Amino acid sequence: QSALTQPPSASGSPGQSVTISCTGTSSDVGNYNYVSWYQQHPGKAPKLVIYEVTKRSSGVPDRFSGSKSGNTASLTVSGLQAEDEADYYCSSYAASKNLLFGGGTKLTVL
Amino acid sequence: EVQLVESGGDLVQPGGSLRLSCAASGFSFSTNWMTWVRQGPGKGLEWVANIKEDGSEKYYVDSVKGRFTISRDNAKNSLYLQMNSLRVEDTAVYYCAKNRIAASDWGQGTLVTVSS
Repeated sequence: QSALTQPPSASGSPGQSVTISCTGTSSDVGNYNYVSWYQQHPGKAPKLVIYEVTKRSSGVPDRFSGSKSGNTASLTVSGLQAEDEADYYCSSYAASKNLLFGGGTKLTVL
Repeated sequence: EVQLVESGGDLVQPGGSLRLSCAASGFSFSTNWMTWVRQGPGKGLEWVANIKEDGSEKYYVDSVKGRFTISRDNAKNSLYLQMNSLRVEDTAVYYCAKNRIAASDWGQGTLVTVSS
């Protein structure tokens, strides 16, 4: 049950786009369209941003989008805004019927 | 409005036990999978366990199998996590969340500290 692999940090200037990757295996990300992305601000509970690879959760702006290719899923944030600065976590359903999380990516808006 | 309120977190010695509760409101509790997720100090999220709507299926991360038990009481709209044989590495904020795969709603978390 290894965690999914995310880069520890990512950054971009306001208005730019940034993409965060999430790499798993053929037993999780590659085999199921059940990848989710969560945003977590310091001291707060996580918030669902993307589910089922590409679907935006209610109230999430369309600046957030998700995709997947093979064993790697990605979250793209376009038109970066200051409030997007947060930790982002991916998760995937796995063949063992467990849920795996990535290690998290700290997004900094420069 | 969906509300999830965790309680029961505390300071406990290694080897001790603790029972966490999560009170749910604002949605049909009995028709949703429920999940526990934890986050160690300064660390990432870790899925702990989840339970089917009627309690007939339960799944756990390997590190807590045999020590933790997830349960629910649909009549009371409540989710529980019984934690036995606690270890220092179980120290974390424990969140309850709605749904099995994409956790759409989360509680504020309850802190469990395992230390002598």
